Amino acid sequence: GENVEQHPSTLSVQEGDSAVIKCTYSDSASNYFPWYKQELGKGPQLIIDIRSNVGEKKDQRIAVTLNKTAKHFSLHITETQPEDSAVYFCAATRSGYALNFGKGTSLLVTP
Amino acid sequence: DAGVIQSPRHEVTEMGQEVTLRCKPISGHDYLFWYRQTMMRGLELLIYFNNNVPIDDSGMPEDRFSAKMPNASFSTLKIQPSEPRDSAVYFCASSPRGLDTQYFGPGTRLTVL
Repeated sequence: GENVEQHPSTLSVQEGDSAVIKCTYSDSASNYFPWYKQELGKGPQLIIDIRSNVGEKKDQRIAVTLNKTAKHFSLHITETQPEDSAVYFCAATRSGYALNFGKGTSLLVTP
Repeated sequence: DAGVIQSPRHEVTEMGQEVTLRCKPISGHDYLFWYRQTMMRGLELLIYFNNNVPIDDSGMPEDRFSAKMPNASFSTLKIQPSEPRDSAVYFCASSPRGLDTQYFGPGTRLTVL
């Protein structure tokens, strides 16, 4: 089955800096890669996703890149703000299969 | 629009008691998922339904766990009897058309003493 590895497990940045979280996956047939943000006491919320027919997707300060050859994808957050502090999860799957989640990255943005 | 609704938000019970968690998916969503989240194991898929029918329950840890979806707007996850190792946050999620784009509820924090 699919195995998703996520790094780092914790990340601390100063407000205004960029943050990058990386994930690797094992199943070359995976074709959907979402990112979720989980704030304290809340459920994971989908923030951005990418499908295997594109290499990059951007939504304001958030971007995701995908390298299918290397089987890794990354979340980039620019101009970080304190409200970006949360746990971020990557996931991967292929059509007809359930999501496989990484273990999460705890991001802390300090003022 | 209302998101996924879960109840109760917190549940504290004693070992051996029956626990029932409830979920109302987003209207119009055909898929419903139950997850368990712990520090050690992260997010684990327990079971999912398509059009009220259980499709994959391979993640259900033991026979003590059962899930039902009697109609398109309601699902339950039951643990009987509960054990301290069942303590976790349980999430329900729904999806409009497949297994990929999922919307999570706020979760139920279960503590079994």
